[in-house]
Amino acid sequence: QQPVQSPQAVILREGEDAVINCSSSKALYSVHWYRQKHGEAPVFLMILLKGGEQKGHDKISASFNEKKQQSSLYLTASQLSYSGTYFCGTRPGTYKYIFGTGTRLKVLA
Amino acid sequence: DAGVIQSPRHEVTEMGQEVTLRCKPISGHDYLFWYRQTMMRGLELLIYFNNNVPIDDSGMPEDRFSAKMPNASFSTLKIQPSEPRDSAVYFCASSYGQGYQPQHFGDGTRLSIL
Repeated sequence: QQPVQSPQAVILREGEDAVINCSSSKALYSVHWYRQKHGEAPVFLMILLKGGEQKGHDKISASFNEKKQQSSLYLTASQLSYSGTYFCGTRPGTYKYIFGTGTRLKVLA
Repeated sequence: DAGVIQSPRHEVTEMGQEVTLRCKPISGHDYLFWYRQTMMRGLELLIYFNNNVPIDDSGMPEDRFSAKMPNASFSTLKIQPSEPRDSAVYFCASSYGQGYQPQHFGDGTRLSIL
């Protein structure tokens, strides 16, 4: 039931791009993305409400494919500050919230 | 603006003791969530409230866990008696609206049961 994220972990050099995927076995009604730095609380990045919706924030963007029950997070020209664990969060029906398995991202100088 | 405030930040106690975690949500938010985070199980939703009323507590692991929200500005999560396997980081989060709004997390309580 928990959304599965891939890859589990990724290491990048500054300036490189990355894609993080979130897949659900159940229908999705919205997708949230959060980033959690080590020892800190998760911080909201963006929400996608509709199938086909795409959003961007600085050099981080996301898409939502409702039919495929998937969402992807795109990090462009990564910076050191992008390091952390990324979680997708979904609402499969009710307002009971479920977070994905998480993707650890490390950006090296 | 003040964010979600949790206390204590760290708690170390012996097995069998009662533990109470506290949370003050952001003023005006009508949803409050309690999460537990461990390496093995990730981020798990334990219970959530809407307008101070518990809506879904199916994530509460055992009867040893209980949560209350006596008013819009305060919630507690209690573990009695505590066990070593309860060791985790516990987060409280709040949000506003119909469920399409972001959740704002507190800094968490790092709980260690010896």
